[in-house]
This record gives sequence, structure tokens and C-alpha cells, in this order.
Amino acid sequence: GQNIDQPTEMTATEGAIVQINCTYQTSGFNGLFWYQQHAGEAPTFLSYNVLDGLEEKGRFSSFLSRSKGYSYLLLKELQMKDSASYLCAVKSRGKSTFGDGTTLTVKP
Amino acid sequence: SQTIHQWPATLVQPVGSPLSLECTVEGTSNPNLYWYRQAAGRGLQLLFYSVGIGQISSEVPQNLSASRPQDRQFILSSKKLLLSDSGFYLCAWSPDRDLFSNQPQHFGDGTRLSIL
Repeated sequence: GQNIDQPTEMTATEGAIVQINCTYQTSGFNGLFWYQQHAGEAPTFLSYNVLDGLEEKGRFSSFLSRSKGYSYLLLKELQMKDSASYLCAVKSRGKSTFGDGTTLTVKP
Repeated sequence: SQTIHQWPATLVQPVGSPLSLECTVEGTSNPNLYWYRQAAGRGLQLLFYSVGIGQISSEVPQNLSASRPQDRQFILSSKKLLLSDSGFYLCAWSPDRDLFSNQPQHFGDGTRLSIL
């Protein structure tokens, strides 16, 4: 089976940097995805990691350490519109298992 | 470009009534298709996935079923809804038949189902 842990909630200030952590235990690993989900909406894809290291995409970066079963999503220059839930999803044997998500609130 | 349509957006049903949610994908062929349910404040629970017409894999025992009558059509059904079936239902597709690929899933807008 698989187990994915993320903090339930985080709060940060507009313009700041925030790091959302995700730890996982899985049998078999085919990659880790991060999705953003605004309240009442569908998730949208943010990033993908399959090798160790950092992947950067504009204000968003994602890091993976397979040996530690650990990933983080880094959001820079936070904007109010970044207030959302961030879901970590681990792909194993063709199927993705989602964490419960981290609700990020950005305050002015 | 590829698009995914899911309907209805909102549904209120009495306990014991049947259910049919439909999802269609346009602009691609042979997609992998998925049905998820999301409880309030929780992550996505995979209910069913399909790699081809008539091929359905069920992830959790429940009173729901899924069918794929056409390549780009995925239907979620129930004969008798339970209170516990309430939730946000999401259909998704990914572009590769290879389940080990790195392609992300693309989600429909979801159906908010309330059982009374």
C-alpha cells in the first residue's frame, strides 16, 4: 500500500516564500506530481518529479528525494491567488495515490 | 487541443435512487480514464480506471460501477445511492496507454453530489 503525508494547513504572507512538504511510503515508484486545487474546482497539474533534485517552473519549484521518500513544493513571491489546496500524488504501478492536500492561505 | 467534459455540475438525489454521471474526452484517442471521489477537506480517492473500451478496474468495494462504452466516454453509475455516496466526483484522463508514463492527469470540472 501507499501512505502520503502533508500538513493540513499553512498560512503565509503575500510576497513571501512558502514550502509545502510531502512524505510518502510506497511499493514501487513511478513519479510524484503536485496539483493545485482552488475551492470547489478541479485539480490542475503543477509539477512532476521522477529523479532526485529540483524542478523549477517560474514561481513554483518542486524537489524530490527518493531515498528519503520526501518532496516539497516551493512557492515564491506569493500572490493572493495562490490561496488553494496543494495535493501531492505518488504514482506507483500506473496508479496515482493522492495525499489529503495542504490548504494554503495567503494573507495581505 | 484536448478537453474533458463532465456533467452534471451539481446533483441532489434521494437515498436509494439511481445515479449516472457521464464524462467525455475530446481531441485524443485511447486515453486512460479515471473516476475519483473527494470528501470535504480530503484528497482524491480513486474509484475506477480504464485503459480501453470495456476494460474497467475497480479500486474500492462499493455500490458504484463504471462503464466505458466508447473510447472517450466514461460513465459512473449506481443502482441505489447511499448517504455515504455524497461527495465531489471527478473524472480525469491521461494521454498514454502506458500506465508507467510520466503524464499528469487532466481533470473535468467535477460533479458535486448530495444525497438526502
